[in-house]
Amino acid sequence: GAGVSQSPRYKVAKRGQDVALRCDPISGHVSLFWYQQALGQGPEFLTYFQNEAQLDKSGLPSDRFFAERPEGSVSTLKIQRTQQEDSAVYLCASGGFETQYFGPGTRLLVL
Amino acid sequence: AQSVTQLGSHVSVSEGALVLLRCNYSSSVPPYLFWYVQYPNQGLQLLLKYTTGATLVKGINGFEAEFKKSETSFHLTKPSAHMSDAAEYFCAVKNGGTSYGKLTFGQGTILTVHP
Repeated sequence: GAGVSQSPRYKVAKRGQDVALRCDPISGHVSLFWYQQALGQGPEFLTYFQNEAQLDKSGLPSDRFFAERPEGSVSTLKIQRTQQEDSAVYLCASGGFETQYFGPGTRLLVL
Repeated sequence: AQSVTQLGSHVSVSEGALVLLRCNYSSSVPPYLFWYVQYPNQGLQLLLKYTTGATLVKGINGFEAEFKKSETSFHLTKPSAHMSDAAEYFCAVKNGGTSYGKLTFGQGTILTVHP
């Protein structure tokens, strides 16, 4: 594909459910980032992958958040036992040294 | 630590008027600076970026920004607003000169364009 794709685009979860969010980066991009964007806020960094290696997970808000990129391409962000405060748009970006290209995001609503 | 401050969470202009969106940053190392635009229910689209070299950078859709180190600013301008410019704009900073860099974003500025 031409750009970064994410699925699902929208997800409604009941509090306590586990969710998995998928990111397909631009083909060949080594770097992959996840960001969380709360309503009315700018995106905030969650985690970074270089190929399959997770080099920075300093932004993950709790141990309920887990991300993986096992083959260095597609990445999954998993949230266990979702809480209402997890409601946000989750953005994935891939890119090179200078520029990150963002996907459309997954809007998560936890009820 | 890096930070970005966008002055004005909402800016309203008339069609054809000058657009000025303000961004100030804090960084302990030479920064790379970016402006992204976000339309409703869409991801972020890169408007322009400053890395090194010329401090006045031109982007897509007629936007430009000037890096002013002495003022730690990177304000976004467009001479004449168009209705299609209505969106939310984010300024972001990353460390320059590193092998990778997470972006630190401002809070965003919503631009409204009146006919």
